[in-house]
Amino acid sequence: DGGITQSPKYLFRKEGQNVTLSCEQNLNHDAMYWYRQDPGQGLRLIYYSQIVNDFQKGDIAEGYSVSREKKESFPLTVTSAQKNPTAFYLCASSRRHTAADTEAFFGQGTRLTVV
Amino acid sequence: GENVEQHPSTLSVQEGDSAVIKCTYSDSASNYFPWYKQELGKRPQLIIDIRSNVGEKKDQRIAVTLNKTAKHFSLHITETQPEDSAVYFCAANLMIKAAGNKLTFGGGTRVLVKP
Repeated sequence: DGGITQSPKYLFRKEGQNVTLSCEQNLNHDAMYWYRQDPGQGLRLIYYSQIVNDFQKGDIAEGYSVSREKKESFPLTVTSAQKNPTAFYLCASSRRHTAADTEAFFGQGTRLTVV
Repeated sequence: GENVEQHPSTLSVQEGDSAVIKCTYSDSASNYFPWYKQELGKRPQLIIDIRSNVGEKKDQRIAVTLNKTAKHFSLHITETQPEDSAVYFCAANLMIKAAGNKLTFGGGTRVLVKP
């Protein structure tokens, strides 16, 4: 189902703790993305990566960090600096970074709740 | 950077009627415009897309139109059915030379088709 896997599906953390969300794809896609989804606000881009060992800040990168050490993996760390971390996080990948019209495939999402 | 506005945020239609969702984008360099459908509890999936060199594209009951001059594009669903009920997202893709593809989404439209 989709070839892009996020884990876990639900995550609870205490305020002040860093937490890392996993995203793995076996589609051999070059590009990977992290989005945050809040009710009524659509999908907001946190970070994106077009190739291994390179990534770019999206529109709401503050309080988040990523790494892209392997083509298949793009983990997202929500740090204690993120003021409002409770949200639904979606990871996506697309085939080529050199062509604009490539479909983005999404994972099933991780719902993070910080208490 | 790119900014995508989507309207309306909610849309209720009678089964069999048409539904239209409109999006505007800010960066004239954006060159690819996909539409995603997200059913309740599921991941977003691509339903139709259009490139910047095309004015209209149809796929059965759905169609997308693009007006590059005005920087807006629309999704049209004809003969709506209950299974069309979902949240629909428009997006605009901007290819940045050094960073690759940046896919920006609108805020989403919740469509409810009443039987």
